[in-house]
Amino acid sequence: NAGVTQTPKFQVLKTGQSMTLQCAQDMNHNSMYWYRQDPGMGLRLIYYSASEGTTDKGEVPNGYNVSRLNKREFSLRLESAAPSQTSVYFCASSEAGTSGSWYEQFFGPGTRLTVL
Amino acid sequence: AQSVTQLGSHVSVSEGALVLLRCNYSSSVPPYLFWYVQYPNQGLQLLLKYTTGATLVKGINGFEAEFKKSETSFHLTKPSAHMSDAAEYFCAVSGIGGADGLTFGKGTHLIIQP
Repeated sequence: NAGVTQTPKFQVLKTGQSMTLQCAQDMNHNSMYWYRQDPGMGLRLIYYSASEGTTDKGEVPNGYNVSRLNKREFSLRLESAAPSQTSVYFCASSEAGTSGSWYEQFFGPGTRLTVL
Repeated sequence: AQSVTQLGSHVSVSEGALVLLRCNYSSSVPPYLFWYVQYPNQGLQLLLKYTTGATLVKGINGFEAEFKKSETSFHLTKPSAHMSDAAEYFCAVSGIGGADGLTFGKGTHLIIQP
């Protein structure tokens, strides 16, 4: 079991460039999440997908789009990168789905993105 | 709306001393509370959680935390610090459970002095 995997591990972009961060989980989890981590800010939720076919905005969705490609994969796209999007991005997954019960969120190793 | 406040962005203790990391929360619904640990250049790992039931919860690596509703607190403790405990610690809250994302505090960097 690889758990939650993220690609790439590191990326440098120029302002205005686009890119997609990939996330996959092999735990057959229903729910997936994207967070960003900035120094002194903790982690903030960008988007989440409670189940395959649904996505919802989190606390800081502006400048991002997501796609829940299938149950395993949840991608995050930056259409026109800005220096303010320099951050470490974490993907997470959980069994939760729409059950209403709480399940642990498992985190990937992160993608370190720098926008120049 | 939920929020989490962690007192102290950096906490330094001597090896063998008590570790106390403070967390206060605000939630409009009964909260689920968590502590996560992050080692350098790694993802987050769940240390412990409070969902329902016993208010004193035990986690991995000898850590425990007590949910105090009257004080809206969920402080993390460990009786005796070890060098391997040096890491970033995050307190988080989820108000509803299910597929909700977590609301994190800003983190506390724990430094262990030899």
